[in-house]
Amino acid sequence: QSALTQPASVSVSPGQSITISCTGTSSDVGSYDLVSWYQQHPGKAPKMMIYAGSKRPSGVSDRFSGSKSGNTASLTISGLQAEDEADYYCSSYAGHSAVVFGGGTKLTVL
Amino acid sequence: QVQLVQSGAEVREPGASVNVSCKTSGYTFTTYYILWVRQAPGQGLEWMGVIDPSSRTTVYAQQFRGRLTMTRDTSTGTVYMELSSLRSQDTAVYYCARRYGWGGDYWGQGTLVSVSS
Repeated sequence: QSALTQPASVSVSPGQSITISCTGTSSDVGSYDLVSWYQQHPGKAPKMMIYAGSKRPSGVSDRFSGSKSGNTASLTISGLQAEDEADYYCSSYAGHSAVVFGGGTKLTVL
Repeated sequence: QVQLVQSGAEVREPGASVNVSCKTSGYTFTTYYILWVRQAPGQGLEWMGVIDPSSRTTVYAQQFRGRLTMTRDTSTGTVYMELSSLRSQDTAVYYCARRYGWGGDYWGQGTLVSVSS
């Protein structure tokens, strides 16, 4: 499977909102509501922010939301804070018990 | 509380094998699959495969088939990941995670594997 496509970097001012896209194909993102999103700070393990496309694990702020349209999934972060500055990765179920990740997006809070 | 604790950093020469352990606690071991993901220096996340601790069934990413073996010990709640025929491109931090909704909800701290002659 090929990696999902994410923008390499995005930047935004504190308090604003940002949407990070994750584009796959009809074999992965387009076929299943099984996209996960992760936040990773430098030197740390990834943290799940969204699973099953739009569900938040317990303890994750409701400023984080997920959606999908066709072959593209999206992560929206509202009311951006300095602590949100991190790398964000999407992943999707791709059939046959396999998972594919996106290349990652570096979010900078100006 | 749920915890996944991985073994320490490893250094190997090209052609060797490495075995990384992932000890789980705080939940019923056989209820959740364990997945493995790696991250090369400065690079993104790469899915390696998954094991069902209940049935020992494994699924490996195509690029690792033939070199990757995942096993488990139900008596200790530990999963093992062995990668053989190591090359310099295998230098990475290796993570285990508990699978939830086809993602990973709890992660180990990561294990750095360095491959160098």
